[in-house]
Order: sequence, then C-alpha cells, then structure tokens
Amino acid sequence: KAGVTQTPRYLIKTRGQQVTLSCSPISGHRSVSWYQQTPGQGLQFLFEYFSETQRNKGNFPGRFSGRQFSNSRSEMNVSTLELGDSALYLCASSNGQGFSSPLHFGNGTRLTVT
Amino acid sequence: QKEVEQNSGPLSVPEGAIASLNCTYSDRGSQSFFWYRQYSGKSPELIMFIYSNGDKEDGRFTAQLNKASQYVSLLIRDSQPSDSATYLCAVYNQAGTALIFGKGTTLSVSS
Repeated sequence: KAGVTQTPRYLIKTRGQQVTLSCSPISGHRSVSWYQQTPGQGLQFLFEYFSETQRNKGNFPGRFSGRQFSNSRSEMNVSTLELGDSALYLCASSNGQGFSSPLHFGNGTRLTVT
Repeated sequence: QKEVEQNSGPLSVPEGAIASLNCTYSDRGSQSFFWYRQYSGKSPELIMFIYSNGDKEDGRFTAQLNKASQYVSLLIRDSQPSDSATYLCAVYNQAGTALIFGKGTTLSVSS
C-alpha cells in the first residue's frame, strides 16, 4: 500500500507570496490532517478534513486554509507569506474513525520564506 | 486546545538500559494516546497506542497509562543506539478530530 505522498518536498518563496501544498492520503483513508512543525513550537495542528468537510481547525490565522477533494486528496494554501511561516508542513491521513485512528504521516514539505 | 506536556530532554541512557519517557495531558476526557518516533530530518512514525489504563507491550516497547493521574509513559527496554530519536506523545481531542502532540523528548542512546 502506498503511503502518504506530499508534493513538493521543498519550496522557497518570498514574503508576501502565496503557496499551495498537496497531499495524497493512503488509499481508503478519508481523513487528512495538516501540521506545521518548527523547532521551537513542535508539531502544531492546522486543520483536519474528512469527506471534504473541515471538522477541526487549529489556532492559526486565516491566511492558512485548506480543502479536500472527493478523492480524499487535500491541498493547503498559505497566502501573504511571512518569514515565520518557514517550517516543515506535514500531512497525515487516517481512516477518520476517531479515537482508534492513528495518523500516518507523509514526508513533509519544507517551506522556506525569504 | 488541550495541552500535552513532555520533558524536552535530552534523555541520555547507555546501550542496553531502560529508557523511560513521560507525558502528561490536561484534558481528563482524553481517551486515546499515541507514541510516535521521529528521526532527525524524517517524519513521525507510529510506535504504539493505548486506550485503557494499565500497560500495553509491543516488543521492546511498553506504554503505560494512568488516567487518574493524566499520565502516559513509554518504556524502551534494551535501548539501542538506533532508538536515538525524538519521541512524541499525542492525544486525541474529545471529538476525535484533532490529534494534539507534545513537543517531544529527545532520546540519546550511547554505545
């Protein structure tokens, strides 16, 4: 079974630009979660989608948004990039059945904002 | 958001020793708990999960849960240098829609 696939692996953007990251979950998984990881803050929850609906959102500004498509693939968008958005963005999928559903992570997208 | 607290470490143990990693959580209603391992430059990988009070063993790993004390731990027996990594504790929110992570404990196993 193929794992979670994230593209691209690396991105370099300039302050003020916007960026879109993509995530393809494990086949059969309907839930996709996004996280931001930085050395100081660790893994911070951005949002979770299940069957194209956002079920939960973390404490991030509105510049961070996402969506999920009918095939469970998900995209995350960050607009008006700031230097502090430089981080590893991780996508994870699960079967979405709540408490018994471990997350399986992709390899991440390393975003650098200059 | 509920909080998950871990000692950042580093925790240093000699090869062959038992490594004990601890995690506390703030939401008494939490039901499921996960341990992930993350090697430097890699993404987190699931080690094990536990739902019920008590111990759960999987090979060299044992997860212990004490809901009354809101405390979950991970024991690694016969530690190996390859166990050197950051260990992340994670707890689901009450709706089961967000897995919240602690900042992780860095383990270093010396040979």
